[in-house]
Amino acid sequence: GEQVEQRPPHLSVREGDSAFITCTYTDPNSYYFFWYKQEPGASLQLLMKVFSSTEINEGQGFTVLLNKKDKRLSLNLTAAHPGDSAAYFCAVSDSGYNKLTFGKGTVLLVSP
Amino acid sequence: GALVYQYPRRTICKSGTSMRMECQAVGFQATSVAWYRQSPQKTFELIALSTVNSAIKYEQNFTQEKFPISHPNLSFSSMTVLNAYLEDRGLYLCGAGGYAEQFFGPGTRLTVL
Repeated sequence: GEQVEQRPPHLSVREGDSAFITCTYTDPNSYYFFWYKQEPGASLQLLMKVFSSTEINEGQGFTVLLNKKDKRLSLNLTAAHPGDSAAYFCAVSDSGYNKLTFGKGTVLLVSP
Repeated sequence: GALVYQYPRRTICKSGTSMRMECQAVGFQATSVAWYRQSPQKTFELIALSTVNSAIKYEQNFTQEKFPISHPNLSFSSMTVLNAYLEDRGLYLCGAGGYAEQFFGPGTRLTVL
């Protein structure tokens, strides 16, 4: 089945720096890609959903890149601020969109 | 809009007892419901996927005998954790899916004493 590897498991940056998180997946039939944010004690907050046909997706304060050739999905938080401190999870699903396979998560700490 | 509610939000049970949690979809038809567990300091593991008019499919390491699931209609699902032990503690998420969308509930946090 699908396997998703996420790196790094922990990341510390200073306010204003960029934070880069990457995931690689194995199933070439993967179609939907997600980034979620989980604040301490809370549930998942969807940051962005990416379709396999798009490669560069810009959100508010972050960019998601999808490289289908390398089966790589990345999240780049530009100019991180302390409010971005949280755990971030990538997730992948096939076109059936019912079942998500999650990466192991990245705990991001943004210090002032 | 589409919303997913989960009840209870937090629960504590004694080791060896069982607890039931519910997932309610509002504003859309949940043709599929996936239950996930996030154990402490870990990622989200899929327990099972329930699709209306199909058998519930459990992932490896999870069984119907331990996590029986009911999905009687397009807006509701429940799951029971039978004979809960310490390793069952964590956040249980319900992901309810319609066409090309999946919405997560806030989760049920289970503590086992």
